[in-house]
Amino acid sequence: QQQVKQSPQSLIVQKGGISIINCAYENTAFDYFPWYQQFPGKGPALLIAIRPDVSEKKEGRFTISFNKSAKQFSLHIMDSQPGDSATYFCAASTRTSYGKLTFGQGTILTVHP
Amino acid sequence: GAVVSQHPSRVICKSGTSVKIECRSLDFQATTMFWYRQFPKQSLMLMATSNEGSKATYEQGVEKDKFLINHASLTLSTLTVTSAHPEDSSFYICSARDRGTSGETQYFGPGTRLLVL
Repeated sequence: QQQVKQSPQSLIVQKGGISIINCAYENTAFDYFPWYQQFPGKGPALLIAIRPDVSEKKEGRFTISFNKSAKQFSLHIMDSQPGDSATYFCAASTRTSYGKLTFGQGTILTVHP
Repeated sequence: GAVVSQHPSRVICKSGTSVKIECRSLDFQATTMFWYRQFPKQSLMLMATSNEGSKATYEQGVEKDKFLINHASLTLSTLTVTSAHPEDSSFYICSARDRGTSGETQYFGPGTRLLVL
């Protein structure tokens, strides 16, 4: 019930391409969905987040698409760059959990120049 | 932007010793801080939730007597790994919720690499 399932486990994209990472959840009480980027040996950094009252949110090259009925959300990275190579985690939380995040398994993104 | 620091960034200790890791929110007050551990190529696993002035709430399977958490102020939480053993070697990361915003955003520290010999 509390799991967030993330796919793919790894992704290789050419420079300039679009990277797409997907997440699915079961708990309908989740109401906050952030994406984090993590470089090796560093802590995660918040990229972008969405609430279920909107279907899409865009910030620069990063877009979250949210499908409430399917209980799925995805991260799209447009014009992917080698510097985007990192591990990406989706997460979810509820208002009543004091912000406690449930993380997906992570996706290792490699962008080839 | 909101900054969370951790100290030390890396620590090597002998088996049986205790190690203290500090987590500070530098430019905001944190109502809640979280402690995670992360093994290589794995996701973050929540260990405990720490609220200022109250006892920490530990996740199932996390030994509260082994991983002592103190949240003495709105800007500082500490994690002490007591009697550390090699299996405790991991990457420990804290995060903090900004009291001044809606409270949803969590900012993560840079992590502490613990190696127990």
